[in-house]
Amino acid sequence: GENVEQHPSTLSVQEGDSAVIKCTYSDSASNYFPWYKQELGKRPQLIIDIRSNVGEKKDQRIAVTLNKTAKHFSLHITETQPEDSAVYFCAARKAGGGADGLTFGKGTHLIIQP
Amino acid sequence: GAVVSQHPSWVICKSGTSVKIECRSLDFQATTMFWYRQFPKQSLMLMATSNEGSKATYEQGVEKDKFLINHASLTLSTLTVTSAHPEDSSFYICSARRGLETQYFGPGTRLLVL
Repeated sequence: GENVEQHPSTLSVQEGDSAVIKCTYSDSASNYFPWYKQELGKRPQLIIDIRSNVGEKKDQRIAVTLNKTAKHFSLHITETQPEDSAVYFCAARKAGGGADGLTFGKGTHLIIQP
Repeated sequence: GAVVSQHPSWVICKSGTSVKIECRSLDFQATTMFWYRQFPKQSLMLMATSNEGSKATYEQGVEKDKFLINHASLTLSTLTVTSAHPEDSSFYICSARRGLETQYFGPGTRLLVL
């Protein structure tokens, strides 16, 4: 099955600086890669996603890049703000069949230092 | 749009009893819903894929006789934890898929088995 590795597990950056979180996946057939933000005790919220036919996608301060050959994708947050502090999860969608839920990375706790 | 609700938000039960958790897509129809489990400070683990009108597909290691899933309509999936034991205590989160890929999560149900 699919395996998603995520690094780092904790990331502390100064407010205003950029943050980068990296993930790798194992199943070359995976074709959809969303990123979720989860605040303590709350549901995961989709913040951006990318499909395998695209190399990069940007939405204001958030961008995601995908390298299909290397099977890795990254989340970039620029001009970080205190409200960006949360746990971020990358995920990959398993291909085909009746079971096509998401396989999640272990999460990155992002801490924005004021 | 794309609102998913879960009920109850938390439940405490005695060991040996069964607990039913409901997941509803409020403003869209979802032929596919997913059930995840999340331990404290850990990632989301996919338990099963719930397809409307058919049997659920369970992930490896998840006991289908213990975690009964029913997806009777396009807006409702239920997860029943049968004969619950303390080790079943966890945070259970459902998601509903809108369109081909995007998943929206419910707020989760915290289960404590005494």
